Amino acid sequence: QVQLVESGGGVVQPGRSLRLSCVASGFTFSTKGMHWVRQAPGQGLEWVAMISDDGRETDYADSVRGRFTISRDSSKNTLFLQMNNLRGDDTAVYYCARDAWNYKYYMDVWGRGTTVTVSS
Amino acid sequence: DIQLTQSPSSLSASVGDRVTITCRASEAIGDYFAWYQQKAGEVPKLLIYTASTSQSGVPRRFRGSGSGTDFTLTISSLQPEDVATYYCQQYNSAPFTFGPGTKVDL
Repeated sequence: QVQLVESGGGVVQPGRSLRLSCVASGFTFSTKGMHWVRQAPGQGLEWVAMISDDGRETDYADSVRGRFTISRDSSKNTLFLQMNNLRGDDTAVYYCARDAWNYKYYMDVWGRGTTVTVSS
Repeated sequence: DIQLTQSPSSLSASVGDRVTITCRASEAIGDYFAWYQQKAGEVPKLLIYTASTSQSGVPRRFRGSGSGTDFTLTISSLQPEDVATYYCQQYNSAPFTFGPGTKVDL
């Protein structure tokens, strides 16, 4: 079955870095765009970043542009989110989600999320 | 950036009630619009895409409508398992945005 499994979350100090991973299975990863969406404690959903099926196109929320980088390794069916210069307001559950098409479409499959806590 | 406003922010209804949630976009987005359901402690689930197309497996009591700037999610007969927060989302242009959510209780 289609599955997305995130990992890499944890507790990190402000200003430090963290890299999240999302391993996909059950579908042809290289034909789908992918997204990261986050949810701060008790808050709503916030779209973070997306990447096209071939990895050539990316886009970011204003709140993370210049600090976060989305990438993918289709040979390993894995999506990444490199997060640098982390801030307290980056604390959230980070979900990996599949684009229903190859890029810039809705999200039809979601992972269970990985928790990032930024605190000194 | 396109902003989405949802109303109401929360509602209480009885089993069998018809429930309507609205979402308004700050500019026209055609039908590049989706609804998601998130139950407490669970992962968001896609309900509706292209404003009115139901995702496979979604009960028929969930209906989406609208285009342009105004969109509606209707639950024709509320069931206990529908208790959740519902989010709208536009994918017309980046940065993609979600509405603030509507919490539905019994």
